[in-house]
Amino acid sequence: GAVVSQHPSWVICKSGTSVKIECRSLDFQATTMFWYRQFPKQSLMLMATSNEGSKATYEQGVEKDKFLINHASLTLSTLTVTSAHPEDSSFYICSAYSGQGNYGYTFGSGTRLTVV
Amino acid sequence: AQKVTQAQTEISVVEKEDVTLDCVYETRDTTYYLFWYKQPPSGELVFLIRRNSFDEQNEISGRYSWNFQKSTSSFNFTITASQVVDSAVYFCALRDYNDMRFGAGTRLTVKP
Repeated sequence: GAVVSQHPSWVICKSGTSVKIECRSLDFQATTMFWYRQFPKQSLMLMATSNEGSKATYEQGVEKDKFLINHASLTLSTLTVTSAHPEDSSFYICSAYSGQGNYGYTFGSGTRLTVV
Repeated sequence: AQKVTQAQTEISVVEKEDVTLDCVYETRDTTYYLFWYKQPPSGELVFLIRRNSFDEQNEISGRYSWNFQKSTSSFNFTITASQVVDSAVYFCALRDYNDMRFGAGTRLTVKP
């Protein structure tokens, strides 16, 4: 079945630094990838949608200069949290959509980011 | 606008009880998909079921069953004879033409 690999699974960084999270579709080509953010005991909130080779579409209220998304190939999307602050600490999950077949949406295992 | 409502924030049951998790959705699209996911403490989302808008047949998978009713825009999930391992947060999600949105989630605690 479709597998999405997300790395790292957890990361701790200092305030002011940048962190990159990778999301890879291992056995299918993902025409569209989605990035979600989940605060403790809350739901998954869609941050942005990225299509391979084009700019990401950000949801209202999400700072595109802070959360840089790159979808350079059909198997890789990256989310970079720039100049991270403690309030950026959250659980980030990516999802990939192949656009065909029964793959539908496949989720990565998530990345727990802690900014100290 | 697309919306998913899970009115039950937390549910606590004793092992072997049956429990139903409610999900009500809103969408303007005629073609859409509904999902249920389980999120254990590890955080990973576990896919449980996908149902498209043209298939209103209820489905049973072991102790799990789903009741999809377009007339009431509901897609409820029932766990029969609950077990401690069922303890998790359960999310209902709706995917229409644009993207996928999640409900707020229901935290299920099954006590031994």
